[in-house]
Amino acid sequence: EVQLVESGGGLVQPGGSLRLSCAGTGFTFSNFWMSWVRQAPGQGLEWVATIKEDGSETYYMDSVKGRFTISRDNAKNSVYFQMNSLRGDDTGVYYCARRGWYSDYWGQGTLVTVSS
Amino acid sequence: QSALTQPASVSGSPGQSITISCTGTSSDVGESIFVSWHQQHPGKAPKLIIYEVSSRPSGVSNRFSGSKSGNTASLTISGLQAEDEADYYCSSYSTNNIVLFGGGTKLTVL
Repeated sequence: EVQLVESGGGLVQPGGSLRLSCAGTGFTFSNFWMSWVRQAPGQGLEWVATIKEDGSETYYMDSVKGRFTISRDNAKNSVYFQMNSLRGDDTGVYYCARRGWYSDYWGQGTLVTVSS
Repeated sequence: QSALTQPASVSGSPGQSITISCTGTSSDVGESIFVSWHQQHPGKAPKLIIYEVSSRPSGVSNRFSGSKSGNTASLTISGLQAEDEADYYCSSYSTNNIVLFGGGTKLTVL
């Protein structure tokens, strides 16, 4: 059974940093692109970033370029999301998802709250 | 990076069929095979119900079907059931290697 488990969310002040982790089990992790998708409170889904199987290519939405970094460690079956210079509009549930241009499995999400 | 356009809400009675539209441009929906649909119940993670325009993942009911014409994709749910009441999101790969989501459609089963 495919499972994705996120961790690392929490409350952070504007301008602060947070690192999210996502562990994947039940599939050959190194064979799949991975993505992060977020959802602001009461709002819709928003794609944020995607990373290729071997980590050689990464893609981001415009508003997070230069602030957020997606990475992975295939030996640990994990994908990470380093978020710097956080802003209030970054608040939301962050989902880890399998695949790049569409997502076939999703984690349960981890809540990131940016507030003073 | 404009979002895809979906109706905010649709409704139907049990047993009826409904269709949700998702309008993009020739740079995304119009040219991409990577058009997908997700179902999300309140407080839950999204669930993939259609991928690559019209394919259904294993385990998804055949009451769900997808199609595309020009820059507009559509999700049709036939034989509406109470459990279908949820939010539905379309998404599409777009040029410059990004993914766009629609704003979401709230389905109410009357």
